[in-house]
Amino acid sequence: SAVISQKPSRDICQRGTSLTIQCQVDSQVTMMFWYRQQPGQSLTLIATANQGSEATYESGFVIDKFPISRPNLTFSTLTVSNMSPEDSSIYLCSVSYLETQYFGPGTRLLVL
Amino acid sequence: DQQVKQNSPSLSVQEGRISILNCDYTNSMFDYFLWYKKYPAEGPTFLISISSIKDKNEDGRFTVFLNKSAKHLSLHIVPSQPGDSAVYFCAAKGLGNTPLVFGKGTRLSVIA
Repeated sequence: SAVISQKPSRDICQRGTSLTIQCQVDSQVTMMFWYRQQPGQSLTLIATANQGSEATYESGFVIDKFPISRPNLTFSTLTVSNMSPEDSSIYLCSVSYLETQYFGPGTRLLVL
Repeated sequence: DQQVKQNSPSLSVQEGRISILNCDYTNSMFDYFLWYKKYPAEGPTFLISISSIKDKNEDGRFTVFLNKSAKHLSLHIVPSQPGDSAVYFCAAKGLGNTPLVFGKGTRLSVIA
């Protein structure tokens, strides 16, 4: 399996600020994904982070709000920009590896 | 429009008995199905998967059954243990490196 780490594990942020979440994988992977899990909800895909090309965003998510970087095959960042309380959520990095998707431990974000 | 549905938000089972978690899907292009277990404040952990060419896959206490004609799959846990108490997510994907689509999850409580 792939081992994934995320930083920070949790944060409390003020409205209007931005937070960058880092995701590191112990193996080179082609596909990395960013998900969000709002309280009591399922996991919602934000975007697919492709190495060497722009991220592909799902309906309802835009690059200006959630810019993503993918500088190499083991690392990606997701920025949550101009935060509002509605962005309070768990943000999860995920990788596709040998037909299975593995998840990081998540970043728990609270926006005040 | 939910493509993956878990219609039971919660399930309680006595320790030692069988737990059966159900999942329905609508997209006939899905060809790979996975179950994840999630504890609070952690990322989802991969449990077991099944390809559309099979109707059963077993791994220890966990068995997944797939009924393609009914577009239905189920996860059986036997015997259930208190440590199995968690939220279980059903997920599905199409061919290739496509991202997973998740159900809303079922909270399993195993009572000692």
